[in-house]
Amino acid sequence: SSELTQDPAVSVALGQTVRVTCQGDSLRRYYVSWYQQKPGQAPVLVMYGKNDRPSGIPDRFFGSTSGNTASLTITGAQAEDEADYYCNSRDSSGDHVAFGGGTKLTVL
Amino acid sequence: QLQLQESGPGLVKPSETLSLTCTVSGGSISSTSYYWGWIRQPPGKGLEWIGSMYYSGTTYYIPSLESRVTISVDTSKNQFSLKVRSVTAADTAVYFCARHDYGFNWFDPWGQGTLVTVSS
Repeated sequence: SSELTQDPAVSVALGQTVRVTCQGDSLRRYYVSWYQQKPGQAPVLVMYGKNDRPSGIPDRFFGSTSGNTASLTITGAQAEDEADYYCNSRDSSGDHVAFGGGTKLTVL
Repeated sequence: QLQLQESGPGLVKPSETLSLTCTVSGGSISSTSYYWGWIRQPPGKGLEWIGSMYYSGTTYYIPSLESRVTISVDTSKNQFSLKVRSVTAADTAVYFCARHDYGFNWFDPWGQGTLVTVSS
């Protein structure tokens, strides 16, 4: 089992706001990053650091962390946002990398 | 623009060694700022970090695989490699390589991935 916990699935109506969450004790001490993965494709980094977006990532993606919970919020979700989303940080020891189990986002 | 490309056999027999290479283009693997990592994804499942290494040779591995895994670098070819020994069907996965910022915990960019099937 992963040391970073994500809801397996979340859905959102087109144009609405959705939050994908990631829980883990290591999030109190280490930065989290978020990846979007579409079927048959490699993951793409969409958020890292405190709330930094790589070049080319729309500003409707927003990241935040409070306590042991990190959130990726998508405001005004688009059809192309339908994908699997993974969080990434450290394990509880802090020595190794951990990924969350992933959240399948459906845009209705 | 930095690009990474995995290469290696798509089929490995049980108990043998899986060997993959990641070729880095558009940048130097000897960058002092980054590690270089391997991540895998079994069919229909989530991402699993395997390990990461710095160009100087410092490596970190996931504890569950550490006894079977080696990551090495060839700076002259701008490549890094993964070996997984004594493979079983559970090692069947898409294997990705990626640049890794170990301090800030992010991977970018990723290679396209390569499917390795363990089967006799």
